[in-house]
Amino acid sequence: EPEVTQTPSHQVTQMGQEVILRCVPISNHLYFYWYRQILGQKVEFLVSFYNNEISEKSEIFDDQFSVERPDGSNFTLKIRSTKLEDSAMYFCASSVRGDSPNQPQHFGDGTRLSIL
Amino acid sequence: GNSVTQMEGPVTLSEEAFLTINCTYTATGYPSLFWYVQYPGEGLQLLLKATKADDKGSNKGFEATYRKETTSFHLEKGSVQVSDSAVYFCALEAAGNKLTFGGGTRVLVKP
Repeated sequence: EPEVTQTPSHQVTQMGQEVILRCVPISNHLYFYWYRQILGQKVEFLVSFYNNEISEKSEIFDDQFSVERPDGSNFTLKIRSTKLEDSAMYFCASSVRGDSPNQPQHFGDGTRLSIL
Repeated sequence: GNSVTQMEGPVTLSEEAFLTINCTYTATGYPSLFWYVQYPGEGLQLLLKATKADDKGSNKGFEATYRKETTSFHLEKGSVQVSDSAVYFCALEAAGNKLTFGGGTRVLVKP
């Protein structure tokens, strides 16, 4: 069965540095998402992306964050200047459509981001 | 805004015991409801879903019924196995296509 793949599985970065988290969505999917889970807290929506632009973003997704689909297969989340509170598990997800619960979101295994 | 509340864990059970994880929600409109499961070291996997009131989602022996009158979507399994040990997340999708998750419930099944 096709999977969403995320790399790296664990990223350790110094505070203030830029970090890029990478995702390869399922090949025929058109909608892409990033979520994060701070340790011990809920999984939170960050951003959705369709047709090469952001569809929706949460209040967490401030100017330090950006997303990009640089080619036909990758979907990236960039944090420009990391803060300690950015330490979390980041999940990428994709779906065929964005408006049908019968085409649910498929998640990757996550990237654990640790900011020192 | 939308929110999902689920019972806190951990829930510790013996094999073949009955499992219930409570989930209630608050949403505008008519959300779709989901249960996702996260096995150790893995990502979130869709377990089951229901898209309208009174729908029952089922998969791998798990069931949940969309109860509009009580705004609930409780997860049940009649006889759990050790392999069911995981973290279970209740989630909703309302207008737009983002998921709103509950806090997750860790389930530990002992042999």
